[in-house]
Formats: sequence, C-alpha cells, structure tokens
Amino acid sequence: GAVVSQHPSWVICKSGTSVKIECRSLDFQATTMFWYRQFPKQSLMLMATSNEGSKATYEQGVEKDKFLINHASLTLSTLTVTSAHPEDSSFYICSARDDMAGFFGPGTRLTVT
Amino acid sequence: QKEVEQDPGPLSVPEGAIVSLNCTYSNSAFQYFMWYRQYSRKGPELLMYTYSSGNKEDGRFTAQVDKSSKYISLFIRDSQPSDSATYLCAMSVGLPNLFFGTGTRLTVIP
Repeated sequence: GAVVSQHPSWVICKSGTSVKIECRSLDFQATTMFWYRQFPKQSLMLMATSNEGSKATYEQGVEKDKFLINHASLTLSTLTVTSAHPEDSSFYICSARDDMAGFFGPGTRLTVT
Repeated sequence: QKEVEQDPGPLSVPEGAIVSLNCTYSNSAFQYFMWYRQYSRKGPELLMYTYSSGNKEDGRFTAQVDKSSKYISLFIRDSQPSDSATYLCAMSVGLPNLFFGTGTRLTVIP
C-alpha cells in the first residue's frame, strides 16, 4: 500500500513555543490530507482537512489560529501547533488518500511541558 | 445518530478463536469500506479495502460488506496474540473524506 511518513515521531517542547509536524505522501500525490488528534485510549478526532493550494478546512471546535496547516505541495502538508500548552499534548496523526483507501502516517507524539 | 457505529469493546478472546468485528452505518451512499488496525502509540494500518458489496479475503482476514443491511464485518481466523490491537472501520462515499467508527479494542489471550 501507499506510504505516508511523519516527522518528527516524538517531540517535547516548552509551554508557549511552537512545534511543526510534517506529513509526506512518499509514493503518491495527495491533493487532500487529513490531520487527526488522538488522546490515550480514545478514537481518532479529525481536526482539519488540508487542501493543496488552498486554505484548510477545520472541524468545529478546532482553533485555526492555533493549529496552522499548510499544504505546500501534492506530497507535503505541515501542522504547526502555535503557543503550545500542556493540554495540547497528544498524538497527532496525518492521513492521505490515493484513489481508494486512506493511509496513515505513524503519528507524532507531542508532549508540552 | 452517528454516521458509523462500532462497538468499542473491549473484546477478549483465547488464542486460536475466530474474531468477528462489526460496524453499522446510516448513509446508504457509502461505497468504499476499509478496516484498519492500530497498535498502541502507532498510526492506523490499512488491513482490508472493499469497494461496494461482497467479501474479500486476505490470509486470516475476511471482510464482508452487506449494503442492504448497512453492515460490515471483519473476521479474523486463528487469532494470535499479535492481533491484539484496536480495529477501526472506515467508509466513504467517494474522495476524499472518510468516516470512522470509534474502534474496537481486541485482546487475544495466549
């Protein structure tokens, strides 16, 4: 199946700083990518839909000024958590679809101290 | 009513058992059906993909789609401890959005 990578896999940052997470589709082009957040023992929560060349579409309750999404190319989307706080600590996962199924990145564990 | 309903479990079975995981859905327009396996602290991994109705088999895994009943299933034969994970169903009308179930946590006991 198609491969989606994420970087970094794990990051610790201090409260108030910003963190950027990259999502890449390695062997296919994705005009649309998705960003999810997952808290321990809970299901995936869709945060936003990232569209190449246009603004992201955010789910209700997700602060667009806090979670900045840029879909710079057909193979790269970035999520920047700005002014991170401890409650932003979570597992962030991106996903991209080819013409059929969706494929997930391995996830990025963010810990804000 | 949620678009996709999935029993969260947890489900515990002895090694070697046949496992049945199920999802129901409300949108009759769904045509693409997927099952994902997620180990703790990992991204979901695509297990099975089915378009429209019917069965699909891959090794010990069989996916079934019954569009008339709006019901999909994943069967795991000869379950192994390594199958212990959370299983998510997902479906869509077309590109690009997927609708997920909440996931069923499975434990296979040696």
